[in-house]
Amino acid sequence: AQTVTQSQPEMSVQEAETVTLSCTYDTSESDYYLFWYKQPPSRQMILVIRQEAYKQQNATENRFSVNFQKAAKSFSLKISDSQLGDAAMYFCAHTEYGNKLVFGAGTILRVKS
Amino acid sequence: DADVTQTPRNRITKTGKRIMLECSQTKGHDRMYWYRQDPGLGLRLIYYSFDVKDINKGEISDGYSVSRQAQAKFSLSLESAIPNQTALYFCATSLHNNQPQHFGDGTRLSIL
Repeated sequence: AQTVTQSQPEMSVQEAETVTLSCTYDTSESDYYLFWYKQPPSRQMILVIRQEAYKQQNATENRFSVNFQKAAKSFSLKISDSQLGDAAMYFCAHTEYGNKLVFGAGTILRVKS
Repeated sequence: DADVTQTPRNRITKTGKRIMLECSQTKGHDRMYWYRQDPGLGLRLIYYSFDVKDINKGEISDGYSVSRQAQAKFSLSLESAIPNQTALYFCATSLHNNQPQHFGDGTRLSIL
């Protein structure tokens, strides 16, 4: 059963605007990491950002930031000042034992000019 | 050169054929993984390996086998391909626990 839920199959954002992609997960592990990966049409899997579950501070990487709510098991991705190059499929994932990744189904992000 | 190289990039084959997808890496990572990506399902783990002598089944290993020929090489085989194995296959590596995985560019496999 899928333990990572991305409830938005598709999202659209206007260039230069902000968009938030949602993700909820379920894990019984106490020590885990969370990731957002980007997959452009070239089909590469590109790491966007990662969050250590034991850190309360939300991770940020330039225009990308997360809202990590550990108790709610929520891990949303905020993209500020959206650019055309941000258009892609975005996957949320968490680690399991052995550093295995469990992925959500993905959210397609479209950026309008 | 890419750090994680998958060959072939694309492959079309027929039902019942034996297929091998290859993955090699220059990152020096011990851990290697095979995933398949299907629309609406994201990526799912097929097999993973912590080192040459340690191979483990993932969520969807039925119909697949793997070989870890060396630290740098991890191959995925479909002994008798069937159409529902049509998918995008990714190899990934990681250094150790809770480190990001680094992905190859994927192999798109179509089974007719």
